[in-house]
Amino acid sequence: EAGVTQSPTHLIKTRGQQVTLRCSPISGHTSVYWYQQALGLGLQFLLWYDEGEERNRGNFPPRFSGRQFPNYSSELNVNALELEDSALYLCASSSGQRNGYTFGSGTRLTVV
Amino acid sequence: EDQVTQSPEALRLQEGESSSLNCSYTVSGLRGLFWYRQDPGKGPEFLFTLYSAGEEKEKERLKATLTKKESFLHITAPKPEDSATYLCAVQADNYGQNFVFGPGTRLSVLP
Repeated sequence: EAGVTQSPTHLIKTRGQQVTLRCSPISGHTSVYWYQQALGLGLQFLLWYDEGEERNRGNFPPRFSGRQFPNYSSELNVNALELEDSALYLCASSSGQRNGYTFGSGTRLTVV
Repeated sequence: EDQVTQSPEALRLQEGESSSLNCSYTVSGLRGLFWYRQDPGKGPEFLFTLYSAGEEKEKERLKATLTKKESFLHITAPKPEDSATYLCAVQADNYGQNFVFGPGTRLSVLP
């Protein structure tokens, strides 16, 4: 069974640019979660999608947005990139409320 | 205010030297406490889920326990390959399906 896959694995962007990160959940998982992990910091919740709908978002500005497609894959979009957006962006999927997350390997974003 | 804290921040052990990591939480309506292992530059890897006080789970050299206020991850006779950051996460009534992660404990096991 394939795990959670994220693409790209690394990318470098310039301040002010826009970026799109992609995530494919485990087959059968309908919930997708996005987390930001800045260097030396803990995981910060960004967004939760379930059945194509945004269910909750963390304390991040509106330039962080995303969507979930009918096949449950998801995109995270970040507009007007700032230097402090440099982080590991992790996607996770889950099959239910009492189950833990399965994480992807993440996308390392560097903003210069 | 709901909080999840972990201690120590970093821990250095000699191979074979057993120890424990702590995860303390103050939340209302705990649904579950989860332990993850994270290697540098990678996504966290699920280890255990604990749902109620008194529950214990074991996997190889790791054993997780849960009380009403904290969880311990006991590491028995660790090996260098156990070196990683260990994260705990809490799922509670007022978070919906979301998890709140602690800051992690960075474990180094020296040969």
